Amino acid sequence: EPEVTQTPSHQVTQMGQEVILRCVPISNHLYFYWYRQILGQKVEFLVSFYNNEISEKSEIFDDQFSVERPDGSNFTLKIRSTKLEDSAMYFCASEGREGPYNEQFFGPGTRLTVL
Amino acid sequence: AQSVTQLDSQVPVFEEAPVELRCNYSSSVSVYLFWYVQYPNQGLQLLLKYLSGSTLVESINGFEAEFNKSQTSFHLRKPSVHISDTAEYFCAVSDIGNTGKLIFGQGTTLQVKP
Repeated sequence: EPEVTQTPSHQVTQMGQEVILRCVPISNHLYFYWYRQILGQKVEFLVSFYNNEISEKSEIFDDQFSVERPDGSNFTLKIRSTKLEDSAMYFCASEGREGPYNEQFFGPGTRLTVL
Repeated sequence: AQSVTQLDSQVPVFEEAPVELRCNYSSSVSVYLFWYVQYPNQGLQLLLKYLSGSTLVESINGFEAEFNKSQTSFHLRKPSVHISDTAEYFCAVSDIGNTGKLIFGQGTTLQVKP
């Protein structure tokens, strides 16, 4: 069964460093998302991406964040200069959207720890 | 803007007992409603969804949820739980017709004890 994969599973970085979180969505999907979950808090929407551009982004998704689909298969989230409060589990999701609604399939997540 | 409240952070229950995980939402527009489950070290998996039609929706593993528009609720129930149901459960909403973003509740940890 096709699945969304994410690498790495755990990333430790120093404050101020850049990190890139990688996701491989399901191959024929068209819509892509990033969510994050700070420990003990809600899963929060960060950004949605369709047709090589951002469809919607949340207030969390400031200028330090960017997304890219560099090669037609990977979908990446970059944090330019990490802060302590960026420590969280980051989930990627993809969706086929053949009608008004389709299921979002989630990856297992990347745990980002900023020291 | 939408919001989702899951009233219980943890629900301990004995095996074969019934369980209800509560979810209330707030929205000024019509929404789709979802329950996702997360097993340890795995991603979120869709458990069931309400899009339209019958207000009672069921999953393949015995869970059901009922959409109650007047109470803006979408509680999840199972008449008899198994050890394997131990997981984190998330209620979520999505605006009908928007980009598809999901707004999640805080999650409820279901702990099934033998």
